[in-house]
Amino acid sequence: NAGVTQTPKFRILKIGQSMTLQCTQDMNHNYMYWYRQDPGMGLKLIYYSVGAGITDKGEVPNGYNVSRSTTEDFPLRLELAAPSQTSVYFCASRPLGGARGTGELFFGEGSRLTVL
Amino acid sequence: GENVEQHPSTLSVQEGDSAVIKCTYSDSASNYFPWYKQELGKRPQLIIDIRSNVGEKKDQRIAVTLNKTAKHFSLHITETQPEDSAVYFCAASKGAGGTSYGKLTFGQGTILTVHP
Repeated sequence: NAGVTQTPKFRILKIGQSMTLQCTQDMNHNYMYWYRQDPGMGLKLIYYSVGAGITDKGEVPNGYNVSRSTTEDFPLRLELAAPSQTSVYFCASRPLGGARGTGELFFGEGSRLTVL
Repeated sequence: GENVEQHPSTLSVQEGDSAVIKCTYSDSASNYFPWYKQELGKRPQLIIDIRSNVGEKKDQRIAVTLNKTAKHFSLHITETQPEDSAVYFCAASKGAGGTSYGKLTFGQGTILTVHP
């Protein structure tokens, strides 16, 4: 049981390039989320999904797109990368009814993206 | 939307002292308040959480208190140890019911340093 797996762990992009951050979970969780973490700013929600085929915007969706074709996978696409997208990106998941009676989110290890 | 403010941004204590981190939230409908610990270069991990029908919860050296009237909650760590050094995030959510889907709004984080 690997939990939540993100790839790549590190990436450097040039301005205007595009890329996809991959996220997969093997816990059969319904809910999946993408957060970005900037220094001193906490974690901001980019997009989330409540199940295959259903996605919605979070707090900071501009410049990103997502898809959820399967329960396991929730890739985040960056189109036309900008320096403002330099950040650490975390994918997270949780089951429908909560784990151990809590609303715990299970995070991946993060993907550090630098846009130059 | 929900707004969560966290203070202080940095906290330095001596080993054995207590540490207190405070958060306020804006949406009175929020009913779930977790705390996450993030060690350097690692993923955030849940350390304790509280629901709005409870005023206080303890787990060994960690406790969380909630004041619904004032819309604030606090993390208390007693007998601090060097391994408690990390970034701590508070968060708020309306739970997974309705259209909230377990989405968490995070505070800005507190860097806790425990000196031996």
